[in-house]
Amino acid sequence: DAKTTQPPSMDCAEGRAANLPCNHSTISGNEYVYWYRQIHSQGPQYIIHGLKNNETNEMASLIITEDRKSSTLILPHATLRDTAVYYCIPQAGNTPLVFGKGTRLSVIA
Amino acid sequence: NAGVTQTPKFQVLKTGQSMTLQCAQDMNHNSMYWYRQDPGMGLRLIYYSASEGTTDKGEVPNGYNVSRLNKREFSLRLESAAPSQTSVYFCASSVHVGQTNTEAFFGQGTRLTVV
Repeated sequence: DAKTTQPPSMDCAEGRAANLPCNHSTISGNEYVYWYRQIHSQGPQYIIHGLKNNETNEMASLIITEDRKSSTLILPHATLRDTAVYYCIPQAGNTPLVFGKGTRLSVIA
Repeated sequence: NAGVTQTPKFQVLKTGQSMTLQCAQDMNHNSMYWYRQDPGMGLRLIYYSASEGTTDKGEVPNGYNVSRLNKREFSLRLESAAPSQTSVYFCASSVHVGQTNTEAFFGQGTRLTVV
Protein backbone atom coordinates (compact mmCIF):
# COMPACT_ATOMS: atom_id res chain seq x y z
CA ASP A 1 0.00 0.00 0.00
CA ALA A 2 1.16 3.51 -0.79
CA LYS A 3 2.45 5.46 2.18
CA THR A 4 1.14 8.75 0.84
CA THR A 5 -1.84 10.04 -1.10
CA GLN A 6 -1.47 13.09 -3.33
CA PRO A 7 -3.81 14.47 -6.00
CA PRO A 8 -2.54 13.46 -9.45
CA SER A 9 -2.62 16.99 -10.82
CA MET A 10 -3.30 20.60 -9.88
CA ASP A 11 -3.33 23.94 -11.67
CA CYS A 12 -2.27 27.27 -10.25
CA ALA A 13 -2.32 30.77 -11.72
CA GLU A 14 1.05 32.46 -11.98
CA GLY A 15 1.69 34.74 -9.01
CA ARG A 16 -0.80 32.98 -6.79
CA ALA A 17 -0.01 30.63 -3.93
CA ALA A 18 0.13 26.94 -4.78
CA ASN A 19 -1.05 24.67 -1.98
CA LEU A 20 -0.17 21.02 -2.48
CA PRO A 21 -1.74 18.55 -0.04
CA CYS A 22 -0.43 15.18 1.06
CA ASN A 23 -2.02 12.53 3.25
CA HIS A 24 0.38 10.30 5.19
CA SER A 25 -1.94 8.80 7.78
CA THR A 26 0.36 5.84 8.54
CA ILE A 27 3.44 7.94 9.19
CA SER A 28 5.65 6.66 12.00
CA GLY A 29 6.68 8.81 14.92
CA ASN A 30 10.30 8.96 13.78
CA GLU A 31 9.54 9.73 10.13
CA TYR A 32 10.12 13.19 8.75
CA VAL A 33 8.03 14.51 5.87
CA TYR A 34 10.18 15.41 2.87
CA TRP A 35 9.11 17.24 -0.25
CA TYR A 36 10.94 16.99 -3.56
CA ARG A 37 10.06 18.15 -7.04
CA GLN A 38 11.05 17.00 -10.49
CA ILE A 39 11.07 19.51 -13.29
CA HIS A 40 10.50 17.89 -16.68
CA SER A 41 13.00 15.02 -16.92
CA GLN A 42 15.64 16.40 -14.58
CA GLY A 43 16.75 14.73 -11.37
CA PRO A 44 14.50 15.43 -8.36
CA GLN A 45 15.28 18.51 -6.30
CA TYR A 46 14.90 18.84 -2.54
CA ILE A 47 12.44 21.49 -1.36
CA ILE A 48 11.88 21.22 2.38
CA HIS A 49 11.32 18.77 5.22
CA GLY A 50 9.85 18.75 8.72
CA LEU A 51 8.95 16.53 11.65
CA LYS A 52 6.03 18.19 13.43
CA ASN A 53 6.60 21.93 13.39
CA ASN A 54 5.84 24.13 10.43
CA GLU A 55 8.91 24.97 8.38
CA THR A 56 9.80 27.73 5.93
CA ASN A 57 12.76 28.27 3.67
CA GLU A 58 13.50 30.37 0.62
CA MET A 59 11.57 28.03 -1.65
CA ALA A 60 8.45 27.08 0.25
CA SER A 61 6.56 26.60 3.50
CA LEU A 62 5.53 23.27 4.98
CA ILE A 63 2.48 22.97 7.19
CA ILE A 64 2.12 19.70 9.13
CA THR A 65 -1.12 18.95 10.98
CA GLU A 66 -0.91 18.39 14.71
CA ASP A 67 -1.69 14.68 14.34
CA ARG A 68 0.97 14.48 11.59
CA LYS A 69 -1.38 12.60 9.29
CA SER A 70 -1.23 15.19 6.55
CA SER A 71 0.81 18.13 5.34
CA THR A 72 0.62 20.94 2.82
CA LEU A 73 3.43 22.38 0.77
CA ILE A 74 2.93 26.06 -0.02
CA LEU A 75 4.69 27.86 -2.86
CA PRO A 76 3.80 31.46 -1.97
CA HIS A 77 4.07 33.05 -5.41
CA ALA A 78 4.10 30.38 -8.09
CA THR A 79 5.97 31.05 -11.31
CA LEU A 80 6.03 29.16 -14.60
CA ARG A 81 9.34 27.62 -13.49
CA ASP A 82 7.50 25.91 -10.62
CA THR A 83 5.69 23.64 -13.07
CA ALA A 84 6.85 20.18 -11.99
CA VAL A 85 5.87 16.93 -10.30
CA TYR A 86 5.90 17.31 -6.52
CA TYR A 87 6.58 14.33 -4.25
CA CYS A 88 5.73 14.04 -0.56
CA ILE A 89 7.87 11.35 1.11
CA PRO A 90 7.96 10.17 4.74
CA GLN A 91 11.47 9.13 5.65
CA ALA A 92 13.13 7.94 8.85
CA GLY A 93 16.74 7.45 9.83
CA ASN A 94 19.20 6.30 7.24
CA THR A 95 16.61 4.85 4.88
CA PRO A 96 16.24 5.56 1.17
CA LEU A 97 13.59 7.85 -0.24
CA VAL A 98 10.61 5.91 -1.59
CA PHE A 99 8.82 7.88 -4.30
CA GLY A 100 5.10 7.67 -5.02
CA LYS A 101 3.39 9.13 -8.05
CA GLY A 102 3.35 12.71 -6.83
CA THR A 103 1.27 15.69 -7.94
CA ARG A 104 1.81 17.28 -11.33
CA LEU A 105 1.54 21.04 -10.76
CA SER A 106 0.91 23.20 -13.80
CA VAL A 107 1.42 26.93 -13.31
CA ILE A 108 -0.61 28.86 -15.85
CA ALA A 109 0.18 32.35 -17.12
CA ASN B 1 30.84 22.00 -7.08
CA ALA B 2 29.85 19.24 -9.47
CA GLY B 3 27.49 17.52 -7.02
CA VAL B 4 26.43 14.14 -8.44
CA THR B 5 27.82 13.26 -11.85
CA GLN B 6 26.49 10.42 -13.98
CA THR B 7 28.04 8.99 -17.10
CA PRO B 8 27.03 8.42 -19.80
CA LYS B 9 24.05 10.73 -20.33
CA PHE B 10 22.62 8.64 -23.16
CA GLN B 11 23.16 5.03 -24.20
CA VAL B 12 21.63 2.61 -26.68
CA LEU B 13 22.27 -1.09 -26.10
CA LYS B 14 21.32 -4.22 -27.95
CA THR B 15 19.53 -6.95 -26.06
CA GLY B 16 22.06 -9.11 -24.25
CA GLN B 17 24.81 -6.51 -24.13
CA SER B 18 26.31 -5.43 -20.84
CA MET B 19 27.26 -2.02 -19.56
CA THR B 20 28.10 -0.11 -16.41
CA LEU B 21 26.55 3.20 -15.42
CA GLN B 22 28.93 5.36 -13.46
CA CYS B 23 28.07 7.75 -10.62
CA ALA B 24 30.37 9.95 -8.57
CA GLN B 25 29.67 12.54 -5.87
CA ASP B 26 32.02 15.15 -4.47
CA MET B 27 30.08 16.07 -1.32
CA ASN B 28 31.62 13.45 1.01
CA HIS B 29 28.21 11.81 1.40
CA ASN B 30 27.91 8.42 3.06
CA SER B 31 24.81 7.13 1.28
CA MET B 32 24.32 6.61 -2.43
CA TYR B 33 21.36 5.32 -4.41
CA TRP B 34 20.32 4.11 -7.85
CA TYR B 35 16.78 4.67 -9.10
CA ARG B 36 15.03 4.04 -12.39
CA GLN B 37 12.14 6.02 -13.81
CA ASP B 38 9.89 4.70 -16.53
CA PRO B 39 7.74 7.08 -18.61
CA GLY B 40 4.97 8.68 -16.56
CA MET B 41 6.04 6.91 -13.39
CA GLY B 42 7.72 7.85 -10.14
CA LEU B 43 11.25 6.80 -9.30
CA ARG B 44 11.82 3.23 -8.12
CA LEU B 45 14.81 2.23 -5.99
CA ILE B 46 17.12 -0.38 -7.52
CA TYR B 47 19.98 -0.56 -5.00
CA TYR B 48 21.46 1.63 -2.35
CA SER B 49 24.61 1.87 -0.28
CA ALA B 50 24.31 3.32 3.21
CA SER B 51 28.07 3.50 3.63
CA GLU B 52 31.25 2.51 1.90
CA GLY B 53 31.47 -1.27 1.73
CA THR B 54 27.75 -1.95 2.08
CA THR B 55 25.00 -2.37 -0.50
CA ASP B 56 21.34 -3.33 -0.21
CA LYS B 57 18.56 -4.22 -2.61
CA GLY B 58 15.71 -1.84 -3.27
CA GLU B 59 12.33 -2.43 -4.90
CA VAL B 60 13.53 -3.59 -8.32
CA PRO B 61 17.04 -5.14 -8.09
CA ASN B 62 16.60 -8.00 -10.56
CA GLY B 63 18.89 -7.75 -13.56
CA TYR B 64 21.28 -5.32 -11.88
CA ASN B 65 24.44 -5.41 -9.82
CA VAL B 66 26.17 -2.57 -7.99
CA SER B 67 29.60 -1.74 -6.68
CA ARG B 68 30.46 0.88 -4.08
CA LEU B 69 34.00 1.38 -5.31
CA ASN B 70 34.88 3.95 -2.66
CA LYS B 71 33.08 6.71 -0.81
CA ARG B 72 32.74 8.81 -3.96
CA GLU B 73 31.68 6.25 -6.54
CA PHE B 74 28.71 3.90 -6.92
CA SER B 75 28.30 2.02 -10.18
CA LEU B 76 25.33 0.11 -11.60
CA ARG B 77 25.91 -2.82 -13.94
CA LEU B 78 23.53 -4.46 -16.38
CA GLU B 79 24.99 -7.88 -17.17
CA SER B 80 22.57 -8.79 -19.97
CA ALA B 81 20.39 -5.89 -21.00
CA ALA B 82 16.71 -6.46 -21.78
CA PRO B 83 14.17 -4.13 -23.43
CA SER B 84 12.35 -3.94 -20.05
CA GLN B 85 15.38 -2.10 -18.71
CA THR B 86 14.80 0.81 -21.05
CA SER B 87 14.45 3.67 -18.62
CA VAL B 88 16.02 6.79 -17.18
CA TYR B 89 18.45 5.98 -14.39
CA PHE B 90 19.16 8.43 -11.58
CA CYS B 91 21.93 8.29 -9.04
CA ALA B 92 21.63 10.18 -5.76
CA SER B 93 23.60 10.75 -2.57
CA SER B 94 22.89 11.99 0.94
CA VAL B 95 24.44 12.09 4.39
CA HIS B 96 22.93 10.81 7.62
CA VAL B 97 22.88 13.32 10.45
CA GLY B 98 21.32 12.49 13.79
CA GLN B 99 17.88 10.97 13.33
CA THR B 100 17.47 11.65 9.67
CA ASN B 101 19.11 12.11 6.33
CA THR B 102 19.92 15.47 4.95
CA GLU B 103 18.58 16.38 1.57
CA ALA B 104 19.40 14.02 -1.24
CA PHE B 105 21.16 15.31 -4.34
CA PHE B 106 20.39 13.72 -7.68
CA GLY B 107 22.35 13.45 -10.88
CA GLN B 108 20.90 14.49 -14.22
CA GLY B 109 20.14 10.94 -15.26
CA THR B 110 21.25 8.39 -17.83
CA ARG B 111 18.75 7.71 -20.60
CA LEU B 112 19.12 4.07 -21.58
CA THR B 113 17.39 2.40 -24.51
CA VAL B 114 17.66 -1.35 -25.05
CA VAL B 115 16.66 -2.51 -28.53
